[in-house]
Amino acid sequence: SAVISQKPSRDICQRGTSLTIQCQVDSQVTMMFWYRQQPGQSLTLIATANQGSEATYESGFVIDKFPISRPNLTFSTLTVSNMSPEDSSIYLCSVGPSYEQYFGPGTRLTVT
Amino acid sequence: DAKTTQPTSMDCAEGRAANLPCNHSTISGNEYVYWYRQIHSQGPQYIIHGLKNNETNEMASLIITEDRKSSTLILPHATLRDTAVYYCIVPDSNSGYALNFGKGTSLLVTP
Repeated sequence: SAVISQKPSRDICQRGTSLTIQCQVDSQVTMMFWYRQQPGQSLTLIATANQGSEATYESGFVIDKFPISRPNLTFSTLTVSNMSPEDSSIYLCSVGPSYEQYFGPGTRLTVT
Repeated sequence: DAKTTQPTSMDCAEGRAANLPCNHSTISGNEYVYWYRQIHSQGPQYIIHGLKNNETNEMASLIITEDRKSSTLILPHATLRDTAVYYCIVPDSNSGYALNFGKGTSLLVTP
């Protein structure tokens, strides 16, 4: 198993600004994923961030809007850039050697 | 992805077994069925997975039909803390281990 923490746990931001979300894992993992959960909706994959390679983005998500860093095997950041109210969501990271994954508690973002 | 279909919501009395069904009629021979749950305001939690044999762990049992077109997650003695959204997922083997969450089943366990 893995223990995952995210910072911040929640934030309220003004439109047009950017927020960087941190994901810290208590063990070294190769694969890390970033998901978005809009209010009342299910999770949607934003990107896969494997250490040592560029992040791979899903359709509808672009690097300019959601830049990701993965500097080592225990840490990653997701930045939500030039925010609009539509970006108000919970952002979650997950890690796993396979489809059996462990999720962080999420970052609840509200954009006003 | 093999598409999964789950009921939108279910109720279960505390202490009784909760049986959550999932249809995955287009599943391929080598695709596994995974179950996760998401308790309110928390990240999803892995429960169990299986290929074709029934599986059991400390959290739940997974029953997969012989034709593999459907499965049932069983919580043998549901508690109030089992109230959550339960997701049945059949990942695409070409997805690079990403999980495709559908809408899931909202299970309400009542006293």
